[in-house]
Amino acid sequence: SQQGEEDPQALSIQEGENATMNCSYKTSINNLQWYRQNSGRGLVHLILIRSNEREKHSGRLRVTLDTSKKSSSLLITASRAADTASYFCATAVGAQKLVFGQGTRLTINP
Amino acid sequence: KAGVTQTPRYLIKTRGQQVTLSCSPISGHRSVSWYQQTPGQGLQFLFEYFSETQRNKGNFPGRFSGRQFSNSRSEMNVSTLELGDSALYLCASSLAGQVTRELFFGEGSRLTVL
Repeated sequence: SQQGEEDPQALSIQEGENATMNCSYKTSINNLQWYRQNSGRGLVHLILIRSNEREKHSGRLRVTLDTSKKSSSLLITASRAADTASYFCATAVGAQKLVFGQGTRLTINP
Repeated sequence: KAGVTQTPRYLIKTRGQQVTLSCSPISGHRSVSWYQQTPGQGLQFLFEYFSETQRNKGNFPGRFSGRQFSNSRSEMNVSTLELGDSALYLCASSLAGQVTRELFFGEGSRLTVL
C-alpha cells in the first residue's frame, strides 16, 4: 500500500477560495514534499519540508507537518483557475527513494 | 538549462512486444529515477540509477529493467508487454546522490499496449 494517503481524493472550489489538502503517512520520514501534476503531464515540485520543520511557506502555498500525527497539509490561498491540477505528497523513505500518495484532484471553478 | 527530456512521448505496442524508453536528465544531475503511473495504482517507483549503478528497485517483475550511461542518460526496457503495462512512465532526475531531495520530472512517455 502507499506510504502517503491524500485526503480528499477530489476537491472542487470557487476561484478565490482557499484549498486545503491533507496527507497522512505511515513510517518515519526524512522529509515530505508536495508536487503538482497538470493532466497527463510531468510532476512539478512545489515545496519540501524537513522532518524537523513544522511549517513552510512559498508564495500562496503553506505547508504544515506534524510528525507526531504523521500528517501534513497543503494550503493554497486565493485559488486561481491555473491551480486546477492533481496534487501529490511524497515522503522520503530512507535515503534512496520518494514514495508518492494517490493524489488529490483539485478543480477551481471560475 | 534544459529540463528532463523523455522520448518517445507516445507509443502504441501490442502484447508480447518489448519497448525501450529514454530519459535525458538535467545537465549535472547524476541520479535518475523511473516511475509508473496508472489510474488504479498511482505513482509506483520502478528504480533509481546513480553513476551507472542501480541503487534501488521497486516491486516490479524482471520484465522491467533499466540502465544508465556514463553521460547520465537512462533507458528503461519492458519486455513481453502485457495489457497492464499501459501507463504513463515518468523519469525524474535529481542532484548527485540526493534522490530524496527535489525531483525534476520529464513530461513522460505514455505507453498503450493493445
